[in-house]
Amino acid sequence: EPEVTQTPSHQVTQMGQEVILRCVPISNHLYFYWYRQILGQKVEFLVSFYNNEISEKSEIFDDQFSVERPDGSNFTLKIRSTKLEDSAMYFCASSELGAQGTQYFGPGTRLTVL
Amino acid sequence: AQKITQTQPGMFVQEKEAVTLDCTYDTSDPSYGLFWYKQPSSGEMIFLIYQGSYDQQNATEGRYSLNFQKARKSANLVISASQLGDSAMYFCAMREMGNQFYFGTGTSLTVIP
Repeated sequence: EPEVTQTPSHQVTQMGQEVILRCVPISNHLYFYWYRQILGQKVEFLVSFYNNEISEKSEIFDDQFSVERPDGSNFTLKIRSTKLEDSAMYFCASSELGAQGTQYFGPGTRLTVL
Repeated sequence: AQKITQTQPGMFVQEKEAVTLDCTYDTSDPSYGLFWYKQPSSGEMIFLIYQGSYDQQNATEGRYSLNFQKARKSANLVISASQLGDSAMYFCAMREMGNQFYFGTGTSLTVIP
């Protein structure tokens, strides 16, 4: 069964460094998403991406964040100048359809900022 | 106002019994979707069940069913015949007309042998 994959599973970085989190969505899906979950808290929407551009983003997704689909399979989240409060689990998701489509989540990347 | 409210931070259920996890939502959109996800201790998010706002019948997927009461804006998850492997966090989520998902704070379910 097709699944969303994410790498790395755990990323440790120093405060102020840049990180890139990688995702490979399900191949026939057209909509891509990033979410984060701070430990013990609920999942928060960051951004949605369709047709090579951001379709929606939350207040959390400020200039520190950017997304890219560098090729036909990868979908990346870049966090510039990481802060301690960026430590969280980051989930990528994809869906075949937009508003009515089920989103399938990847296993997540645990980001730890020291 | 919260888009998704899950009022049960923790629930316990005896193995083989049924359990209902509550979820209420708030939207003025005529078209929306409601989802339940399971998050085991390993951290991944597993899709369980989907209910569309125009669906006439309650969604069912194996041991999972969604008790959709549109007028009350509730979308409770019912797990029948609980198994030890059902112990996890359960999140209710909603998508409105746009592409943004709103998640509840989750319910931690513990199945007791």
